[in-house]
Amino acid sequence: EPEVTQTPSHQVTQMGQEVILRCVPISNHLYFYWYRQILGQKVEFLVSFYNNEISEKSEIFDDQFSVERPDGSNFTLKIRSTKLEDSAMYFCASAGTGSPGELFFGEGSRLTVL
Amino acid sequence: GENVEQHPSTLSVQEGDSAVIKCTYSDSASNYFPWYKQELGKRPQLIIDIRSNVGEKKDQRIAVTLNKTAKHFSLHITETQPEDSAVYFCAAIYSGNTPLVFGKGTRLSVIA
Repeated sequence: EPEVTQTPSHQVTQMGQEVILRCVPISNHLYFYWYRQILGQKVEFLVSFYNNEISEKSEIFDDQFSVERPDGSNFTLKIRSTKLEDSAMYFCASAGTGSPGELFFGEGSRLTVL
Repeated sequence: GENVEQHPSTLSVQEGDSAVIKCTYSDSASNYFPWYKQELGKRPQLIIDIRSNVGEKKDQRIAVTLNKTAKHFSLHITETQPEDSAVYFCAAIYSGNTPLVFGKGTRLSVIA
């Protein structure tokens, strides 16, 4: 069964450093998302991406965040200057055109900012 | 935007009993309502979903009901087993380019 894959599974970084989280969505999907989950809390929407551009973003997704689809397979989330409160699990998700609301999640990338 | 409320935040049941988790949503345009199960340290996994043209859907021990008028939907798990223990999230979306909005989650503990 096709899966969304994410790397790294865990990253530890110093405050102020740049971090790039990578995702490979399911190959025929066209909607891509980043969500984050602070430990013990709910899954929060960050950004959605469709047709090579951001379609919607939350207030969490400020100027420190950016997304990119550099080639036909990868979808990346960059945090320019990490803060302690960016520590969370970041989930990438994708959805197909037939059911754009039916999200398939990756295993997540745990980011720890020290 | 959409706002999803979920209750209860924690739920403990005896093995074999039923569990019910309830959610309400605010945007009457929302028309797709999935439920996700998240085990500790793992990704959310879709377990059942319902669309707004249907009032109830069942898959073995789990069922979901939707009341569009009242804007609420519920997850029902019958004959609970210890492996049902997890955090369950409801969500809502207006199908299309809008983001899926999650409830705060319900931690279900099934006591053997």
